[in-house]
Amino acid sequence: GQNIDQPTEMTATEGAIVQINCTYQTSGFNGLFWYQQHAGEAPTFLSYNVLDGLEEKGRFSSFLSRSKGYSYLLLKELQMKDSASYLCAVREAYKLSFGAGTTVTVRA
Amino acid sequence: SQTIHQWPATLVQPVGSPLSLECTVEGTSNPNLYWYRQAAGRGLQLLFYSVGIGQISSEVPQNLSASRPQDRQFILSSKKLLLSDSGFYLCALDRDRTNTEAFFGQGTRLTVV
Repeated sequence: GQNIDQPTEMTATEGAIVQINCTYQTSGFNGLFWYQQHAGEAPTFLSYNVLDGLEEKGRFSSFLSRSKGYSYLLLKELQMKDSASYLCAVREAYKLSFGAGTTVTVRA
Repeated sequence: SQTIHQWPATLVQPVGSPLSLECTVEGTSNPNLYWYRQAAGRGLQLLFYSVGIGQISSEVPQNLSASRPQDRQFILSSKKLLLSDSGFYLCALDRDRTNTEAFFGQGTRLTVV
């Protein structure tokens, strides 16, 4: 099975940078995903890591260390619309499991 | 591109009543299909996943069941709903076993009263 841990809440100021950490334990790692979810809506895909290192997509970057069971999502130049829940998900064989999510609040 | 249809968007059901939520997929074949439940302010709990017709894996023992009668159809059911079954139910798919992201339907918000 999988244990996926991420902080419950984070607050940051508009224009700043926030890093959301995710740690996991799995017996058959097959990729790590980050999703964004606004209240009352379905999650939307942000990034994917299967190899160690940093993946950059515009203002969002995601990092993976498989040996440490660790990932982070980096949000740069925060905007008010980035206020949402960010979900870390790990694929193990055919199964995709999610962490509880980190609620990010961006303040002016 | 694939699309996921879920209905209804919202549902209010009395305790003890049956439930049937349907998820249908277009634009892809032989997907992995998933049912997740999200309680208010919480993360996504994996309920069931299916890698093919008639193949269902259950993650959490409960009074829910799932079926996949066709490749692009995934159904979540209950014979008797409990108050604790309230939540946001999401159907998801991915097309490949490894390196593609999952896509979500728009979800059904179920309130059991």
